Amino acid sequence: ELVLTQSPATLSLSPGDRATLSCRASQSVSNFLAWYQKRPGQAPRLLIYDASKRATGIPARFSGSGSGTDFTLAISNLEPEDFAVYYCQQRSKWPPAFGQGTRLEIK
Amino acid sequence: EVQLVESGGGLVQPGGSLRLSCAGTGFTFSNFAMSWVRQAPGKGLEWVSAVGGNGANRYYADSVKGRFTISRDNAKNTLYLQMNSLRAEDTAIYYCAKDLIRGAGADYWGQGTLVTVSS
Repeated sequence: ELVLTQSPATLSLSPGDRATLSCRASQSVSNFLAWYQKRPGQAPRLLIYDASKRATGIPARFSGSGSGTDFTLAISNLEPEDFAVYYCQQRSKWPPAFGQGTRLEIK
Repeated sequence: EVQLVESGGGLVQPGGSLRLSCAGTGFTFSNFAMSWVRQAPGKGLEWVSAVGGNGANRYYADSVKGRFTISRDNAKNTLYLQMNSLRAEDTAIYYCAKDLIRGAGADYWGQGTLVTVSS
């Protein structure tokens, strides 16, 4: 089974900083990778699909990159509402598993 | 405006059954694959099941295969998840989600419904 490993588990930064989150797949998923934001008490929110395409309404400070097995979500100029948990999900093979998540917390 | 509204969650004893529903509005329901994703207390997101737009293709996580059944009624714009032989580890918030065309990601989500399996 295809496994996604996210790192770091927790990232402590300040508003205005740049965040870089990693997602590594145990085998190639081509560019079939999505990123979601999950805030407590809210539904997940699609940020990025096809590794680098921003979903509708997502600010340009969110960007995705990578292909094959290594992917990155970058968030520039962190806003207070960006502090949340971020998940990657592969959409290449069944089951479309999620990574374990990266918690972005305020330093 | 796309909206997904789940219902049917609640408290059920181990071994019991529950059926979740998800009503979709604001889009052509039959054109899109739909999924169920859950989040257990203090845990991450777990994909549970998905169904194609016409209902013919269905997929399940190993953790629920043989116990859960996904279905849809396109005439009623509603997605279902029949959950049987429930276990304590099935306790979670269950979200329904609409897929993008080509299944590249889930772009709209419901607010979630809580399922608690406990005696």
